[in-house]
Amino acid sequence: EVQLQQSGTELGKPGTSVKLSCKVSGYNTRNTYMHWVNQRPGKGLEWIGRIDPANGNTIYSEKFKSKATLTADTSSNTAYMQLSQLTSDDTAIYFCATPDWFAYWGQGTLVTVSS
Amino acid sequence: DNQMTQSPASLSASLGETVTIECRASEDIYSNLAWFQQKPGKSPQLLIYDENSLADGVPSRFSGSGSGTHYSLKIKSLQSEDVASYFCQQYNNYPFTFGSGTKLEIK
Repeated sequence: EVQLQQSGTELGKPGTSVKLSCKVSGYNTRNTYMHWVNQRPGKGLEWIGRIDPANGNTIYSEKFKSKATLTADTSSNTAYMQLSQLTSDDTAIYFCATPDWFAYWGQGTLVTVSS
Repeated sequence: DNQMTQSPASLSASLGETVTIECRASEDIYSNLAWFQQKPGKSPQLLIYDENSLADGVPSRFSGSGSGTHYSLKIKSLQSEDVASYFCQQYNNYPFTFGSGTKLEIK
């Protein structure tokens, strides 16, 4: 059974960074892309970007190019997303999902930005 | 970006009814379209991929159709557990984009 287990709730101060994780079990992360999506409170879904864990290649939404950094560690089957220069606009739930048609989702990580 | 215009924003229907939700892409997405169901506090769940392929474990009451830029999700014999928000998503080209969602309620 494929499972994506995300790290816990983050409370970040404005201007700081947070790093979220998404640990995969049930398949090898080398075999497919990992995507990240956010959902602001009461809003819809927004695609942030994706990483190819096999070679580290990334593609970002233009909106998140300066905000998000995607990495992956195939030895631990884990994908990461760092969010930098946090502002209140970054308060959202962040999901990892795979493959391209998002058959599998993590449970989400709530990031709250507050001073 | 390939904009996904989803309608209606909200929908109220009776148990047993059939409902249809639509998504229109601003460019051809060649059936690279998925539909998701999301209940409050939960991750989205895949219902349909590749325009009309039913995801594992999804009841056959759900079906997808369409081509080019116009796609739809049909839910037959509406049941109480179908109360949720529904989203479409195109994965034909980057950046992947989602519809704005449809909130389905029971009358």
